[in-house]
Amino acid sequence: EADIYQTPRYLVIGTGKKITLECSQTMGHDKMYWYQQDPGMELHLIHYSYGVNSTEKGDLSSESTVSRIRTEHFPLTLESARPSHTSQYLCASRETGGEDGYTFGSGTRLTVV
Amino acid sequence: AQSVTQLDSHVSVSEGTPVLLRCNYSSSYSPSLFWYVQHPNKGLQLLLKYTSAATLVKGINGFEAEFKKSETSFHLTKPSAHMSDAAEYFCVVPMGRALTFGSGTRLQVQP
Repeated sequence: EADIYQTPRYLVIGTGKKITLECSQTMGHDKMYWYQQDPGMELHLIHYSYGVNSTEKGDLSSESTVSRIRTEHFPLTLESARPSHTSQYLCASRETGGEDGYTFGSGTRLTVV
Repeated sequence: AQSVTQLDSHVSVSEGTPVLLRCNYSSSYSPSLFWYVQHPNKGLQLLLKYTSAATLVKGINGFEAEFKKSETSFHLTKPSAHMSDAAEYFCVVPMGRALTFGSGTRLQVQP
C-alpha cells in the first residue's frame, strides 16, 4: 500500500489555467522529489526538497514551482498551463540515508488543451 | 558523472520464455544500480538493487540481475515470463541528490 498520494490522478485543463498538483506522504520523509515523465517514458528530475522551506531545481528546466511548508506536503504549481506541459508528473519521497528507500506516487497525468 | 543506457526501448517475449532487459552504465567507479518497474497506472516499484555486496542480485517476482564490471552492464533477467510481467522497466543510478533513470524498456508478454 502506497504511503504517498498524488491528486488528481488525471487532469485535462485549458491553456492559461493555473493548476496545482498535490503530493502528500505519511512516512515523515524529509526528502521529496518531482519527476516529469514524458510520453516517451523518460523520467527527469524537475524539483526536489530536503526538508521544510527547502526547494531546489532539478536537472530538467521546468516552468513549474514547488513549495514545502509542511514535511508531508510538496505541491507543484503551474501558473499558466500550456500544451507543452502535457506530461505525467511523479512525486517521490525517501528517508535520509537510504539510496534505495524511495517511494513513488502513482502520478498525475496532465493534459493541457 | 554516472549514467545508464537501456539498449532496447521495446522487448517482446512469449509467456514462459526467458526475459533479458539490457542496461549499461558509465561510471569511473562501481556505482549502486537499481531496477524499477512501472505497471500501467501504478507507481514505480523497486525490483532489485546492487550495492557492491554481491554481483548477482535477486529481486522480487523472480527477477535477477548480474553486475559485470568488465562489461559495465547490469542486465535484468527472468527465466520464465508471466503475463503479469508486462510493464515498463527502468535501470536507475542514484546521483547524490536523486535518482537518474534510463530511458526505459517496455516489456510485452505474448500469450
